[in-house]
Amino acid sequence: QVQLQESGPGLVKPWETLSLSCTISGGSISSYYWNWIRQPAGKGLEWIGRFHTSGNTFYNPSLKSRITMSADTSKNQLSLKLHSVTAADTAVYYCARVPRSVRPTGIYYYYYYMDVWGKGTTVTVSS
Amino acid sequence: QSALTQPASVSGSPGQSITISCTGNSSDVGGYDYVSWYQQHPGKAPKLMIYEVSYRPAGVSNRFSGSKSGNTASLTISGLQPEDEGDYHCSSYTSSDTLVVFGGGTKVTVL
Repeated sequence: QVQLQESGPGLVKPWETLSLSCTISGGSISSYYWNWIRQPAGKGLEWIGRFHTSGNTFYNPSLKSRITMSADTSKNQLSLKLHSVTAADTAVYYCARVPRSVRPTGIYYYYYYMDVWGKGTTVTVSS
Repeated sequence: QSALTQPASVSGSPGQSITISCTGNSSDVGGYDYVSWYQQHPGKAPKLMIYEVSYRPAGVSNRFSGSKSGNTASLTISGLQPEDEGDYHCSSYTSSDTLVVFGGGTKVTVL
């Protein structure tokens, strides 16, 4: 079964770039959309964006100017970069899979929920 | 401030039923059957409990059920058990440029 594992630096200085990875095991990175979600301590979840290796991406408008999502298919690994971070970006960051089904036409349909989540990685923005 | 509104907390005694509401608008909850619910225990990742308003993934107890009326979706937990304690988050597709929105989360306490 597919498993996701996020990794990152833990501590990032203000105004620097946060770089996170999500390693996918037990499944192909190219077969699905992948979401990034974050959760500040004691608060709710925030959707960051949705990525496919085809290049189709959807970003949260509130973060769009600072986000870059990409993937290394040879490593089955997703990447999230968040530029010019501030204390407000301190959170647990998750990657999650977006499931799909196949239409009778043979075209894939991607859902809007997330069925497999990584355990998350904590990021603190502080000098 | 979250796009979807959930009560901060809901509690119940073992064996009772509780319902968590999730209120949005016609651009999200009310306009589409794309509401999902996630359970989260402290220090753990969210777990999918309900998708597309009322469908349960394999392995999720049938004590969990979802419904929707107008702009409000609901998650009902029947036969409340101690292991049901945790935070519950609703989510929905939105036709706004955000694509996916979440509620602020509801803390469930088993008394």
